[in-house]
Amino acid sequence: QVQLQESGPGLVKSSETLSLTCAVSGGSISSHYWTWIRQPPGKGLEWIGYIYYTGATNYNPSLKSRVIISIDPSRSHFSLKLSSLTAADTAVYYCAATTRDLVYGLKQFDPWGQGTLVTVSS
Amino acid sequence: SYVLTQPPSVSVAPGQTARITCGGNNIGTKSVHWYQQRPGQAPVLVVYDDSDRPSGIPERFSGSNSGDTATLSISRVDAGDEADYYCQVWDTASDQGVFGTGTKVTVL
Repeated sequence: QVQLQESGPGLVKSSETLSLTCAVSGGSISSHYWTWIRQPPGKGLEWIGYIYYTGATNYNPSLKSRVIISIDPSRSHFSLKLSSLTAADTAVYYCAATTRDLVYGLKQFDPWGQGTLVTVSS
Repeated sequence: SYVLTQPPSVSVAPGQTARITCGGNNIGTKSVHWYQQRPGQAPVLVVYDDSDRPSGIPERFSGSNSGDTATLSISRVDAGDEADYYCQVWDTASDQGVFGTGTKVTVL
């Protein structure tokens, strides 16, 4: 069973770049699509983007200009970079696994990492 | 972009059935997934592909999807079911994930 673990700084400054990593264990990084999702305090879930081991990506249009998701199969992890941070980027960031269906696109997100809280300070 | 709408809250007495709706344009043509999120925890998948349950999820959790509405039903509700619930689909037109607005279930 695949397991995911996010890591990165819990506090970053406004206008700077957030960098998070998600370590994959218990399975091959080439077996799934990998996604990032975030949740501001007290609010709902927001899909950020996905990556496949080939490097194929797609991003939420609302974040596309500031997001880069990358993958390192040799180290079995994938990463998120979000630039030009503001207070609105304060959130719990989750990584999750999924697969692709030929008809319905990416399927359910399962499993999820435990999440990591990132606070953007001024 | 594709929008999914859920009621902000649902209240239900213990032992009764909670029904949470997820509205979207022709959502019946999409595959709907449901997640349970308890306070301070990561979301957990409870129903996928409209009505399938992952291993370990009780049969009390069931789903349906038709027309413009998908529904998650939780029968014989108890205090342990108090949580936020989110529906989710994949918008194939834009190749993006979409979450519903979330519903807080309160057990009276």
